Amino acid sequence: KNEVEQSPQNLTAQEGEFITINCSYSVGISALHWLQQHPGGGIVSLFMLSSGKKKHGRLIATINIQEKHSSLHITASHPRDSAVYICAVIAGFGNEKLTFGTGTRLTIIP
Amino acid sequence: DTEVTQTPKHLVMGMTNKKSLKCEQHMGHRAMYWYKQKAKKPPELMFVYSYEKLSINESVPSRFSPECPNSSLLNLHLHALQPEDSALYLCASSQDDSGNTIYFGEGSWLTVV
Repeated sequence: KNEVEQSPQNLTAQEGEFITINCSYSVGISALHWLQQHPGGGIVSLFMLSSGKKKHGRLIATINIQEKHSSLHITASHPRDSAVYICAVIAGFGNEKLTFGTGTRLTIIP
Repeated sequence: DTEVTQTPKHLVMGMTNKKSLKCEQHMGHRAMYWYKQKAKKPPELMFVYSYEKLSINESVPSRFSPECPNSSLLNLHLHALQPEDSALYLCASSQDDSGNTIYFGEGSWLTVV
């Protein structure tokens, strides 16, 4: 069993739909990253969370430390949101190693 | 400037060649990373440099040789690679090595023929 599990693995939705991607982890963490990777390769860090909730534009990320669970929400989804979304955790403290989930491939259809 | 710049974007090399991948950041970050990513897989950590010193080597074969000439630059020297080393190589940086926002480059697509 992976230390970081994401669901769903693949998600196709119509433009405008509300999107939720889930991440569960089994280790103690100091922080959790949500990352976005487009087909061209580059990875963009969307959020880094250690508690609570963060919002940036149409993106919202939440984390529940007790339940070891995080969600990424996209409101009013758009075709340009199509990408792979990756959850990655930093296990423990004073540790620079990211443990990655397997990613969620999101496709938004116009 | 929140960019991590990687060059070249694409590299094709033979198994006997010697080449280098380069990474540069000007954010004053003191931790820099090399990751390898195969198709449809998450990135795998290769090396971490912290304050210009190698702090993590994830048992990477010696045909990959990292170098950190200064706090802004990170190189990955490649020699005698195998076709299975073909992958996307991602460089990243963060303020330090204690769990800060991480910034990734666009990656270098490497093909070994």
